[in-house]
Amino acid sequence: GQQVMQIPQYQHVQEGEDFTTYCNSSTTLSNIQWYKQRPGGHPVFLIQLVKSGEVKKQKRLTFQFGEAKKNSSLHITATQTTDVGAYFCAGAGANNLFFGTGTRLTVIP
Amino acid sequence: DGGITQSPKYLFRKEGQNVTLSCEQNLNHDAMYWYRQDPGQGLRLIYYSQIVNDFQKGDIAEGYSVSREKKESFPLTVTSAQKNPTAFYLCASSNRQGPANYGYTFGSGTRLTVV
Repeated sequence: GQQVMQIPQYQHVQEGEDFTTYCNSSTTLSNIQWYKQRPGGHPVFLIQLVKSGEVKKQKRLTFQFGEAKKNSSLHITATQTTDVGAYFCAGAGANNLFFGTGTRLTVIP
Repeated sequence: DGGITQSPKYLFRKEGQNVTLSCEQNLNHDAMYWYRQDPGQGLRLIYYSQIVNDFQKGDIAEGYSVSREKKESFPLTVTSAQKNPTAFYLCASSNRQGPANYGYTFGSGTRLTVV
């Protein structure tokens, strides 16, 4: 099936540092979504990007969709302990989403 | 409040047994999905259903079965043919226009352990 690669797999940061996770697809994506999964929890929808080059912000989170619609990134400014969890990107197939492998963020107080 | 309810939260299965995981939603969503997540891994699609009485295999359907007799319910059976069933199982739903427009709503998951 379709695949989306996500890096890094793990990231440890000091509280207050920035964090970025990257998502890459070998095929053009119609849109890309981002989800957050807290430890022991379930994924929660964060945002969807549709347009080439689109940039959206949610407070300290900035999401970008590449010009070729094959890559995306999530950047968190000045991380807080509440940012801990796994962040997944997901590309839309014909009838379902295919998820990246995720980046697991640890924030050290 | 609308949402997706998965039960049980934890499930222990003996080798050779079939078990059924429940997933119920009251969001009036047409589409429902089952994903499997292994520790430190991403989500892999097992089965999905776009409408009642119809469902499609995902990437890792072997050893699993589903039914969709009601719009609200999409139970997953883990059969004895599934060689490594210990995992976290997530059910999700999306609205009529599909995941491309509105994203998924996930249930809280069922952790299945083979003992």
